[in-house]
Amino acid sequence: DSGVTQTPKHLITATGQRVTLRCSPRSGDLSVYWYQQSLDQGLQFLIQYYNGEERAKGNILERFSAQQFPDLHSELNLSSLELGDSALYFCASSPSATRVYSTDTQYFGPGTRLTVL
Amino acid sequence: SQELEQSPQSLIVQEGKNLTINCTSSKTLYGLYWYKQKYGEGLIFLMMLQKGGEEKSHEKITAKLDEKKQQSSLHITASQPSHAGIYLCGADGPFQGAQKLVFGQGTRLTINP
Repeated sequence: DSGVTQTPKHLITATGQRVTLRCSPRSGDLSVYWYQQSLDQGLQFLIQYYNGEERAKGNILERFSAQQFPDLHSELNLSSLELGDSALYFCASSPSATRVYSTDTQYFGPGTRLTVL
Repeated sequence: SQELEQSPQSLIVQEGKNLTINCTSSKTLYGLYWYKQKYGEGLIFLMMLQKGGEEKSHEKITAKLDEKKQQSSLHITASQPSHAGIYLCGADGPFQGAQKLVFGQGTRLTINP
């Protein structure tokens, strides 16, 4: 158990809908990351938040947005869903924003499997 | 942008045998991470390497980062069924105020009894 929790574990929805994925980081971690894992694209970085502020953006679609709340949990919002958005969505957390020490490792949650029908 | 290539893409070995998985980067590696993923589940952190020539071990798994810091290898000694899964290498670049990891495509390891 990494200490990172994600809900829900599974989500099935229809095209055009909007969903929210939730992540709680490990105790004491200030950074939260979102990744998407699909068969064709592999594991791709989407976005990073550090202490409530957006820190880095990756290949995140404009239909997707995220935020980190004062209690440090994060939500990933996916809207106007398409079939191609079906994937495993992972949240990870780390103590700081950058790799300063060897302990600044990203620990991953169990993921949310999104199926868009 | 940095790209990571893992080889082999899949590996089938008999229980008890040794094996090696490689991760080659198109650019200098500043932080190289190895994770293991059970099929359809979350990633489990194994090791992180930062310095050229660095080697770390955990139980029967050893990871090395070569001197030129563009390749890493993961070696498993006396493989067991519990070692089966997908091994992913991930890397981040030089300090840029953030920590976004780029991952290889993964190596699927099957252990036959």
